[in-house]
Amino acid sequence: AQRVTQPEKLLSVFKGAPVELKCNYSYSGSPELFWYVQYSRQRLQLLLRHISRESIKGFTADLNKGETSFHLKKPFAQEEDSAMYYCALDQTGFQKLVFGTGTRLLVSP
Amino acid sequence: DGGITQSPKYLFRKEGQNVTLSCEQNLNHDAMYWYRQDPGQGLRLIYYSQIVNDFQKGDIAEGYSVSREKKESFPLTVTSAQKNPTAFYLCASSTHSGRGYNEQFFGPGTRLTVL
Repeated sequence: AQRVTQPEKLLSVFKGAPVELKCNYSYSGSPELFWYVQYSRQRLQLLLRHISRESIKGFTADLNKGETSFHLKKPFAQEEDSAMYYCALDQTGFQKLVFGTGTRLLVSP
Repeated sequence: DGGITQSPKYLFRKEGQNVTLSCEQNLNHDAMYWYRQDPGQGLRLIYYSQIVNDFQKGDIAEGYSVSREKKESFPLTVTSAQKNPTAFYLCASSTHSGRGYNEQFFGPGTRLTVL
């Protein structure tokens, strides 16, 4: 069965520190992976998608098929990055997403 | 915000009663989804619809029902058969813009409490 694992429920860092939110997946096909973010009092929204190989708000994520991982990274965390982050797998190509359990990132001043 | 709306924001019901949650979108999206969000469990897919008059069960469909009579609307009914209905429910929609590029847009959610 398809599964997305985010091992950390909470990640707490200081402003300016590097951040890595872990995401591992299990899927036999060719995965399409996403990171969604939910800031306080806002809706869940797309942060980035692996196929675009883009950097959004300083965040990047590289798909590592050998390690079945899609970790989200940012070299210097900002306080406004504090949010709930969800890794998601599109298992069919039709946007039928499987979400991880989420990691709350807390960036302290 | 706008685009996809859910109502009401908070909903209370007595045990044994069916309740319907509303989801409307004006984004002209073909696909719509219902998720349940519980602490520590992330989002779990209840039902989804790729096109009007068609829908499929997600991972936790038992105790729920949906309809898709209009492109803009995808109401979710939580029936008395759902054993643990108290949760936060999220609706989403998307359009097909190519494999790997599709983005789901989420509503603000409805918090259902069954007393």
